[in-house]
Amino acid sequence: GIQVEQSPPDLILQEGANSTLRCNFSDSVNNLQWFHQNPWGQLINLFYIPSGTKQNGRLSATTVATERYSLLYISSSQTTDSGVYFCAVGYNQGGKLIFGQGTELSVKP
Amino acid sequence: NAGVTQTPKFQVLKTGQSMTLQCAQDMNHNSMYWYRQDPGMGLRLIYYSASEGTTDKGEVPNGYNVSRLNKREFSLRLESAAPSQTSVYFCASSDPGQGISPLHFGNGTRLTVT
Repeated sequence: GIQVEQSPPDLILQEGANSTLRCNFSDSVNNLQWFHQNPWGQLINLFYIPSGTKQNGRLSATTVATERYSLLYISSSQTTDSGVYFCAVGYNQGGKLIFGQGTELSVKP
Repeated sequence: NAGVTQTPKFQVLKTGQSMTLQCAQDMNHNSMYWYRQDPGMGLRLIYYSASEGTTDKGEVPNGYNVSRLNKREFSLRLESAAPSQTSVYFCASSDPGQGISPLHFGNGTRLTVT
């Protein structure tokens, strides 16, 4: 099956710093989503991005499907950005996804 | 608009007991999913329902059964709970027929089996 690897596994930032999270996957996919799990355990969908680039406020994501990776950029980080960021991929447009292990982000004030 | 609602939020079972986790969505989505999350691991798919009346196994279906009661509701049943089923369970929904279809999660059920 598809392997999904995220890096780095942990990241500590000072408030205001920028960061890049990476997701590598082992097979061609046509569904890729990024999620944020906040410290209370809620999972929020950030992006549905099987290819190309999208931006939403301070967050943006780029997926290069031909090279099998995706990047999540967080600019001017805030303490509320803390939590775990998951990348998940799939073969179809539904929610049958394979999740990576996540990147745990801690933003210090 | 509540999105995806799961009940209960917390549950403690003894080994061998049974229980049903409930999930309902109000977004008129066709597809619904059950995932589990264990410490240090990402989420893993247990079962899914692509549309009302259909269910299929995911990555880790052993020990579970599901029922797609109607378009809104998708329940997960543990017939004889085991300590290995201690986990956080998430229900989710999406609507792949609409093309771009992000996955929406409920707030989870934290289950402990002693």
